[in-house]
Amino acid sequence: DGGITQSPKYLFRKEGQNVTLSCEQNLNHDAMYWYRQDPGQGLRLIYYSQIVNDFQKGDIAEGYSVSREKKESFPLTVTSAQKNPTAFYLCASRSGGDTQYFGPGTRLTVL
Amino acid sequence: GESVGLHLPTLSVQEGDNSIINCAYSNSASDYFIWYKQESGKGPQFIIDIRSNMDKRQGQRVTVLLNKTVKHLSLQIAATQPGDSAVYFCAERGYSSASKIIFGSGTRLSIRP
Repeated sequence: DGGITQSPKYLFRKEGQNVTLSCEQNLNHDAMYWYRQDPGQGLRLIYYSQIVNDFQKGDIAEGYSVSREKKESFPLTVTSAQKNPTAFYLCASRSGGDTQYFGPGTRLTVL
Repeated sequence: GESVGLHLPTLSVQEGDNSIINCAYSNSASDYFIWYKQESGKGPQFIIDIRSNMDKRQGQRVTVLLNKTVKHLSLQIAATQPGDSAVYFCAERGYSSASKIIFGSGTRLSIRP
């Protein structure tokens, strides 16, 4: 998975809870991304960060929040405002070049 | 809005045969195209990419063809093996590496023994 780790692999959330998904990379990449994947659909961009201490909303940012305090880390918080959070979440990073490299993903299930 | 799609959602291929996975894109301004492979429960893995100034690019057992006239992208896998079973995504992007990538929904490739 190109030096990108995501944890946990599986996560269960009760309704009304906030949960945080971890994404760490040791590739020295500046840009990092969070995507959501639902069955039968393409990846949808939640948030992205081109540089430390800066991030932008993607196409489906509502109900999510992020931080980028360190270059290696880009955690995603799924808040209680996200009404349908059950999905497979993928983190990716990119150097100055073209290719995004993906982590192994976290599967979030709402109980 | 602009979108990337796939002609076939599933493809079944005999082991040893060649596989061809197709993709249509609608944004004529897209400059960069990527194919990813995703195995069940894992993150997408980069396979091969191509820029709009090229028609063909070859990798190890894979070839990507780009037809800008009809906005069509294909991935050819030679001598398909059981380990090739996965979902394959095409994706497109504008000229800048900071541009957003638009992903297709994927084609599932299954291999018959």
